[in-house]
Amino acid sequence: EAGVAQSPRYKIIEKRQSVAFWCNPISGHATLYWYQQILGQGPKLLIQFQNNGVVDDSQLPKDRFSAERLKGVDSTLKIQPAKLEDSAVYLCASSLSPGLAGYNEQFFGPGTRLTVL
Amino acid sequence: GENVEQHPSTLSVQEGDSAVIKCTYSDSASNYFPWYKQELGKGPQLIIDIRSNVGEKKDQRIAVTLNKTAKHFSLHITETQPEDSAVYFCAWGADGLTFGKGTHLIIQP
Repeated sequence: EAGVAQSPRYKIIEKRQSVAFWCNPISGHATLYWYQQILGQGPKLLIQFQNNGVVDDSQLPKDRFSAERLKGVDSTLKIQPAKLEDSAVYLCASSLSPGLAGYNEQFFGPGTRLTVL
Repeated sequence: GENVEQHPSTLSVQEGDSAVIKCTYSDSASNYFPWYKQELGKGPQLIIDIRSNVGEKKDQRIAVTLNKTAKHFSLHITETQPEDSAVYFCAWGADGLTFGKGTHLIIQP
């Protein structure tokens, strides 16, 4: 079974530039998550989708971050404009609908390492 | 915000010895408590999880215990091996997960 795919794996940009990350979840997983992991810390949830609807985006800095999952499968996360403190690894995860599984085992992709100069 | 603690931040043990990592949480609504292992350059990987109606769960060398009254849970790794070296994260939640800050486990040969 293929895992969660993310691209690019690495990205270096200058502050105030824009950047986009792409995620393809495990086939059949209705729930998709984007996390931000700053060096030396645990992942922090940015946004959670159920199919193509947003379940939780309370920790997403909406003035500069946006995310979409238009067809309920792939998702993109965008930062515009980037700041130095956005340097982090951006992780995508997917899971079966929690209601079906009874709990939400999340499967993570390898992440995109963003460096903002 | 939620108050979370994971201890220790770094743990060094001799190969073959046991390792224990502890986490406390504050959200009473949490009913799911997974542990993730993250190797360098990779995403976190689930190694074991426990639900709130269970006090202990074991899978070969790995076990997790949960004390809902005290709001803490622990990861136990026995007979540690070099490949156990990684960063371990506790997490909890009812749906979206909150992660601890991680424990860097070092297995000394």
